[in-house]
Amino acid sequence: SQQGEEDPQALSIQEGENATMNCSYKTSINNLQWYRQNSGRGLVHLILIRSNEREKHSGRLRVTLDTSKKSSSLLITASRAADTASYFCATESNYQLIWGAGTKLIIKP
Amino acid sequence: EPEVTQTPSHQVTQMGQEVILRCVPISNHLYFYWYRQILGQKVEFLVSFYNNEISEKSEIFDDQFSVERPDGSNFTLKIRSTKLEDSAMYFCASSEWTSRTYEQYFGPGTRLTVT
Repeated sequence: SQQGEEDPQALSIQEGENATMNCSYKTSINNLQWYRQNSGRGLVHLILIRSNEREKHSGRLRVTLDTSKKSSSLLITASRAADTASYFCATESNYQLIWGAGTKLIIKP
Repeated sequence: EPEVTQTPSHQVTQMGQEVILRCVPISNHLYFYWYRQILGQKVEFLVSFYNNEISEKSEIFDDQFSVERPDGSNFTLKIRSTKLEDSAMYFCASSEWTSRTYEQYFGPGTRLTVT
């Protein structure tokens, strides 16, 4: 089954603006993680939020989790050109990460 | 900062050949994983490994695949007889403890091209 569906699929904003990406999932989870991937490169872990947490911050990143709606959002504030990448949410269930298709974020200078 | 490393960065092989992809997880981590990402598609879980045995595996991880921790540092993925559809980026990851509470750290990936 599909798990961790991000929206939008693509997002293009001006540098300095905030970027919000959403993730929905279907089954119960232990945690939800956000990763970033530059084109053709590896996966960089951004933030992990546990199922009993509602919000978490890390630098310019803010992640929320609503387990009742089975959804999460990733907010990047004051975006920079270097934030251009694909962003994936991954839900942890049964010792494995199940990934969404990702949001491609483009920051225009 | 410790990191997961993978070799080679790019492997080209002919259909039917065996390939071994190598990973060195972070040294104090206990759980190890392999994922793959076909170009333009989602990352897919293949297998998790703990205490020298497979913990979980996906439907993709059939008899053509095997994993091994041959020594105290390496973690390998073997594909016995490669198919064209095995072409993908293969990512190794490790976590300190169960991924129920600990993040997974990923290597840079090995791009496997099967011709």
